[in-house]
Amino acid sequence: DAGVIQSPRHEVTEMGQEVTLRCKPISGHNSLFWYRQTMMRGLELLIYFNNNVPIDDSGMPEDRFSAKMPNASFSTLKIQPSEPRDSAVYFCASTLGGRVNEQFFGPGTRLTVL
Amino acid sequence: GENVEQHPSTLSVQEGDSAVIKCTYSDSASNYFPWYKQELGKGPQLIIDIRSNVGEKKDQRIAVTLNKTAKHFSLHITETQPEDSAVYFCAASWTNAGKSTFGDGTTLTVKP
Repeated sequence: DAGVIQSPRHEVTEMGQEVTLRCKPISGHNSLFWYRQTMMRGLELLIYFNNNVPIDDSGMPEDRFSAKMPNASFSTLKIQPSEPRDSAVYFCASTLGGRVNEQFFGPGTRLTVL
Repeated sequence: GENVEQHPSTLSVQEGDSAVIKCTYSDSASNYFPWYKQELGKGPQLIIDIRSNVGEKKDQRIAVTLNKTAKHFSLHITETQPEDSAVYFCAASWTNAGKSTFGDGTTLTVKP
């Protein structure tokens, strides 16, 4: 298996632009997590899905952030409009749901908002 | 909700020495405690985990201990090597919670 796949790996955009991050979880995994990592705030859970359904989005910073999981093999995290303070590394992770197990992280997307 | 505190935030050791990272958690219902290693430019990767039905688990140079009464668990790395240099995260969760709460991370530097 190729592991969790994220795209793009790097994104540089200007303030006010829409940004879409993409994630393909490991085949067969039914839980998917979006994290944001910064030096100041560490690793923050933004939202997670189980069987494509959002379970907990309490970590989503504000309405500018939205996430979808239209099917078991694809998820997106969208920021609209983007702001400089959104600059961070965004990780997607997947795991087998039902019992807490190892989370497999993707390589991350480094987002820079100018 | 669960709160996980991790110490120290940075740790520097000489090659061959041991390194110990400690975490405490707040929710007595937590029963799964993984440790992740994050190398520069990569996502965190599980290195060892422990469930609440055991007090200690070992995998070669890495061991984790759990004290459920005191609600703390620790990562022990023996005979450290430069390639052990990374950021280490502890986490805690309970079965069917669906998510883990992570500590703030420890940056370990092993000096040759």
